Amino acid sequence: DAGVIQSPRHEVTEMGQEVTLRCKPISGHDYLFWYRQTMMRGLELLIYFNNNVPIDDSGMPEDRFSAKMPNASFSTLKIQPSEPRDSAVYFCASSLRKTGGRTEAFFGQGTRLTVV
Amino acid sequence: ELKVEQNPLFLSMQEGKNYTIYCNYSTTSDRLYWYRQDPGKSLESLFVLLSNGAVKQEGRLMASLDTKARLSTLHITAAVHDLSATYFCAGALQGAQKLVFGQGTRLTINP
Repeated sequence: DAGVIQSPRHEVTEMGQEVTLRCKPISGHDYLFWYRQTMMRGLELLIYFNNNVPIDDSGMPEDRFSAKMPNASFSTLKIQPSEPRDSAVYFCASSLRKTGGRTEAFFGQGTRLTVV
Repeated sequence: ELKVEQNPLFLSMQEGKNYTIYCNYSTTSDRLYWYRQDPGKSLESLFVLLSNGAVKQEGRLMASLDTKARLSTLHITAAVHDLSATYFCAGALQGAQKLVFGQGTRLTINP
């Protein structure tokens, strides 16, 4: 398997524009996570899905952020309108729940977003 | 709510030396993970620790878990430059799937 695939790898956009980040999880995994990484706040969980259903979106900063998972092999994170403070690296991760608790999350390469 | 704290946050050491990174967590966590991140790269899973007293080793890295103390350690033996990276620990509440990460420890190993 190619691992978790994210696109684009880099995105530079102007304030106010819509940004869509994409993620393809590892085939067969039933959990998908969106994390944001910044120097100030570290790694923060934004939202996660189980079997394509959003389970916890308490980390989504505000209504400008939305995430969807229309099927088991694709998810999007959208920011509309974008603001400079959204500049960060956004990681997607996926995992497969296993008996005995040994669930391991595998991360994509991340999307570095810069909003100017 | 689970909180995870690492220390130190920055560590500069010489090759050949030993050191330990500490990871404390605030409430019962079902499992503890260690990840490595190189600059500009993704997070790579190093260890998964599932039970009290668990110890895992890979090369010069050894991770352990003490659930009673709510403490995990990552011990580096005879450090080499290639181990320079940021190391994160992460925990998860019992039965939960989401990981809560510590702040990360930026490790620099000087020749």
